[in-house]
Order: sequence, then structure tokens, then C-alpha cells
Amino acid sequence: QSVLTQPPSVSAAPGQKITISCSGSNSNIGNDYVSWYQQFPGAVPRLLIYDNDKRPSGIPDRFSGSKSGTSATLAITGLQTGDEADYHCATWDRSLTAQVFGGGTKLTVL
Amino acid sequence: QVQLQQSGPGLVKPSQTLSLTCAISGDSVSSKSAAWNWVRQSPGGGLEWLGRTYYRSKWYSEYAVSVKGRITINSDTSKNQFSLHLNSVTPEDSAVYYCAKVADRYFQQWGQGTLVTVSS
Repeated sequence: QSVLTQPPSVSAAPGQKITISCSGSNSNIGNDYVSWYQQFPGAVPRLLIYDNDKRPSGIPDRFSGSKSGTSATLAITGLQTGDEADYHCATWDRSLTAQVFGGGTKLTVL
Repeated sequence: QVQLQQSGPGLVKPSQTLSLTCAISGDSVSSKSAAWNWVRQSPGGGLEWLGRTYYRSKWYSEYAVSVKGRITINSDTSKNQFSLHLNSVTPEDSAVYYCAKVADRYFQQWGQGTLVTVSS
């Protein structure tokens, strides 16, 4: 069972918008930055969002992140079939003295 | 451009020790601004952090509770690499193992991944 809670799956049609939640606690999300990773089947995770809401160069602005209290959210607008992947949130937990991840969310673009 | 190249066996027998190495290019394992991590992913599962090592005037290592007591992560400055050793493995330790660099609070670079199967 993961320390951070994500929905197992989300789905939407091409062109629509989805959000993926990542819920934690004061010992993790509430006190540190959140990052998000995209992972295609059989591939290495790729950084999408860091420091809650910043995008690395090369990541389209269709991807955005936000954080409020002990939860973080990844939003993807203008969905494309190429966005089908697993998405993982991550942060540091000061109580566990450990890096923690969400369980991952599988995005299906119908 | 930092690159991480993993090496090690893909098959380990139960009760034995799983050992993987991550060679670093484009950075130093002794960097005072980076931490060198191991993460694994079971088939169809999420990412699980195993531990890290880093240098801040001296070496530190921190491990996940789930594997503490079975895990050692150490560095070799002469070869600019770091290693994972996980002993007393069981089939539940079968997973894809990644090495990864963390700096500025996020995973900046990942190794290519190594599928490790624990089986006799």
C-alpha cells in the first residue's frame, strides 16, 4: 500500500481534460514539493512536473501541476492518444525519512 | 548530460543476494548536491523507493522500512558508481530495478532498468 494515494485509473476522450489526484499528509505533501512522472509500458519514468507546478523544457503546456495542503493534482488538457500511460506522483516524507510514491494512475484515452 | 548505466544479473536464486551496479557519467557520485537512489517496480505495480546514498562531507545512506535490514547501498568513488545489495531475496523481490539521481527535490535521471527474477 502506497503512502500517497492516487486513483488506479482515469479515462476520457481525445481532446478532453483529466485530472489525477495525489493525496498525502502533513509529513509528506504538506511539507515538501511534489513531482510527477509519466511512464509508458516497458519504459523508464519521465519527469513531467517538478516543484509542484513547474514543467521541464520539452514538456507541453497541456500538462500542469498544482498543490493545495496535503494534496496535489496533475491536469492534462487536450488529451491525445499518445498520452496513454501510467502517471506517478512523488515527494519526500519527513516522518519516514523516505522518498514516497503514489500507486500510479493508468490513463486511458478512449 | 548525466547518464546512468545499470549492470547486474537478471536471475537470482531465493535466499541469495541481489546485486546491481549503476555507473555514472556526466556527474560525480561524490556530488554534494545529488543523491543516488534505487527504485523498483513489481510487474503491474507502482514505483517503490528502496534507498539512497549521498555525500555531504561524509557518506550517508537511508533505506525504506520495507527492506531495512536486508539492503545496503554503497558507492565506489574510484569507479564513479553506486551499488545495491539486497540479501535473503524471495520471489516477492522480483521486479524491475532502477537506479536514479535525485537533485533539487526530484528524480532528474533514471537508469535503463534491470528486470530481476528471483527463482530457483
